[in-house]
Amino acid sequence: AQSVTQLGSHVSVSEGALVLLRCNYSSSVPPYLFWYVQYPNQGLQLLLKYTTGATLVKGINGFEAEFKKSETSFHLTKPSAHMSDAAEYFCAVRPFNAGGTSYGKLTFGQGTILTVHP
Amino acid sequence: DTEVTQTPKHLVMGMTNKKSLKCEQHMGHRAMYWYKQKAKKPPELMFVYSYEKLSINESVPSRFSPECPNSSLLNLHLHALQPEDSALYLCASSSGPRKTRGSYGYTFGSGTRLTVV
Repeated sequence: AQSVTQLGSHVSVSEGALVLLRCNYSSSVPPYLFWYVQYPNQGLQLLLKYTTGATLVKGINGFEAEFKKSETSFHLTKPSAHMSDAAEYFCAVRPFNAGGTSYGKLTFGQGTILTVHP
Repeated sequence: DTEVTQTPKHLVMGMTNKKSLKCEQHMGHRAMYWYKQKAKKPPELMFVYSYEKLSINESVPSRFSPECPNSSLLNLHLHALQPEDSALYLCASSSGPRKTRGSYGYTFGSGTRLTVV
């Protein structure tokens, strides 16, 4: 079964500092990987996704993530935090298998709340 | 149109009421999903529809009844809910299925905040 672990339920950074949110997945075959952001009382917004090809993925709002198969990781980074980045971030995984009972099942990590201090 | 629209945004219902949540997308996606999110928790999958057919039911209680009338619409019918069913209900859609690795994207709606009293 697919699973994803986010290390650190809370991360706090200063404005302008590097943001690093960690995500590790468990899968025998490299899955599809996603990062979503959720602002209070809102839905989920896709930041970026890895499906195939280049392992360094660039997303919206200056975020990027690198898929490292050897480390089964997909950590999210942003060089310089902004106050508007304060939100909850979810890493998610879905299996490559395009059929069968695992089709379409997106499984989320527990989430990381990012706080940005002025 | 690159959005998933959910209505209503907020819903308060009694335990004996019957209500429905609605979800609509016009991106041509052929898979649609219902997720439930409790406070301070990640979303949890409830149902998956693929080509208007129910393909996954994550052992959801029968007081939740999904319906997919056509490829653009997804409903969630609610009946005899319990206070612990209060949560944010998220609808999502995605392209697929495909036989090869491709560009899967899941688009989420802004959710319906449900309170059962």
